[in-house]
Amino acid sequence: EAGVAQSPRYKIIEKRQSVAFWCNPISGHATLYWYQQILGQGPKLLIQFQNNGVVDDSQLPKDRFSAERLKGVDSTLKIQPAKLEDSAVYLCASSLGDVRGAEAFFGQGTRLTVV
Amino acid sequence: KQEVTQIPAALSVPEGENLVLNCSFTDSAIYNLQWFRQDPGKGLTSLLLIQSSQREQTSGRLNASLDKSSGRSTLYIAASQPGDSATYLCAVNLKGTGNQFYFGTGTSLTVIP
Repeated sequence: EAGVAQSPRYKIIEKRQSVAFWCNPISGHATLYWYQQILGQGPKLLIQFQNNGVVDDSQLPKDRFSAERLKGVDSTLKIQPAKLEDSAVYLCASSLGDVRGAEAFFGQGTRLTVV
Repeated sequence: KQEVTQIPAALSVPEGENLVLNCSFTDSAIYNLQWFRQDPGKGLTSLLLIQSSQREQTSGRLNASLDKSSGRSTLYIAASQPGDSATYLCAVNLKGTGNQFYFGTGTSLTVIP
C-alpha cells in the first residue's frame, strides 16, 4: 500500500516569495491534514479536510496561507508571501474519515527554509 | 482545549537500558492515542496505536500503555539500541473533532553505544 506522498522534500525561498506544497493521501482516505512543525516543537494542525470540505482551519494564518483539496484527493498548501517565521517542516497526513478513532498516516514532510 | 505534555524533553541512555517515555493529556475524551517516531528532518512513523478501550499495545521491544482516566500514557522501550535514537511523539485523537490529532512536543532520545 502506497503511503502519503509529499513534494518537494526541501525548499529554500527568500522572504516575501511564494511557495506551494503538494500532498497525495493514501487511496480511500477521506480526511487529509496539514501540520506545521517548527524546530523543537510538536506538529500543529493548520487545516483539516473531509473529502473536499474544510473541517477545521482555525489555526491557518489566512492572510498568507491557503489550502485546497480539489476533487477530494490531492491537496496543495500555499504560502504567499512567506515570512522568516514560516521556516518549518510541513507535514501532510491522512486517515479514514468515516471511522471514529482512525489511525493517522504521515508523509515525509517538506522542510521549508525562508531566508 | 487538549494539552499534551511529554516528559522528559530529552533523554540520553547507554545501549541496552530499558527506558520509559511519558505522555500526559488534559482531556480524557479521546478515541485513541498514537506513538510516533521522527528521525531528524523526516516525517512521522507510527509505532503503536492504542484505542481508548485498550490498556496496552506491544510491538517487538516496544510496549505502550494507556490510563485514560488519569490522562497518561507511557512508551516502554526494552533493551535500547543506538538505532532507537530519534524523537518520540505522542498524539491523542480527540472525540468530537472529526479525528483531530493533538501532539506533544516530543522526547529526544539518544542511545549511546
